[in-house]
Amino acid sequence: NAGVTQTPKFQVLKTGQSMTLQCAQDMNHNSMYWYRQDPGMGLRLIYYSASEGTTDKGEVPNGYNVSRLNKREFSLRLESAAPSQTSVYFCASSHQDLKETQYFGPGTRLLVL
Amino acid sequence: AQKITQTQPGMFVQEKEAVTLDCTYDTSDQSYGLFWYKQPSSGEMIFLIYQGSYDEQNATEGRYSLNFQKARKSANLVISASQLGDSAMYFCAMREGNSGYSTLTFGKGTMLLVSP
Repeated sequence: NAGVTQTPKFQVLKTGQSMTLQCAQDMNHNSMYWYRQDPGMGLRLIYYSASEGTTDKGEVPNGYNVSRLNKREFSLRLESAAPSQTSVYFCASSHQDLKETQYFGPGTRLLVL
Repeated sequence: AQKITQTQPGMFVQEKEAVTLDCTYDTSDQSYGLFWYKQPSSGEMIFLIYQGSYDEQNATEGRYSLNFQKARKSANLVISASQLGDSAMYFCAMREGNSGYSTLTFGKGTMLLVSP
C-alpha cells in the first residue's frame, strides 16, 4: 500500500496563477483533509471531507477550493495564488472509527512569487 | 485561547537518556483524543501514539509512552532511551468529539535534538 500520495512534491507559481494539488489514498478511508504548515504555526486545517460528496471548511479556507472526486481522491485548488499561500501543504486521511487517526501524505512545497 | 499548548520550542537530550515533551490541552468535550506526531527533517508527518479521553491506562508504543493526566489536561510524550534518529519536530494534536466529522487541532511543536 502506498498510503497517502500527493502531487506535485514541489511547485513554484507566480502571483495570480492557478494550480491544483492532488491527493489520493489507498486505505479505503472515508475522511480526508488538507492542511497547511507555516514556520512556527504548526498545521492548520484548510478543508476536510468526511465522506465522498461532502466538504467542509476548516480554520483557514480563504483562497482555496476543494473537490472530493471519489472516495480515494481529494484535490485542493488555488484559483489565484498569492505570496501568503507560500507554504507546505499536507493531505491526510482517516477511518471513521474510535480513534480517527489521521495518516499524512509526504507534503507539497509551494512557493508563490 | 490556544487549544493545544507546547511550551518547549526546543529540547536537547543525550543519546540513551529519556526525555519528556510537554503538551497541555483545553477542551470542554468529554470525549476527545490526543495524538503525537513526529516530523523529521525530511518533512513527513509520522503518527506515534494515541490516547483516548476515556482510556484509563496511559498509552504505550515501543519506546513512546503518553503520560496522560486528565485533571491537569496534560498529555506529555515520554521517549525512553533516546536515539539519534529521534531528532525531529514533535507535534501534539487533539481531536474533539467523535462523530466522524471531527478534525485535529495541532500545537506549534517542539524540536528535539538528540546528541551522541
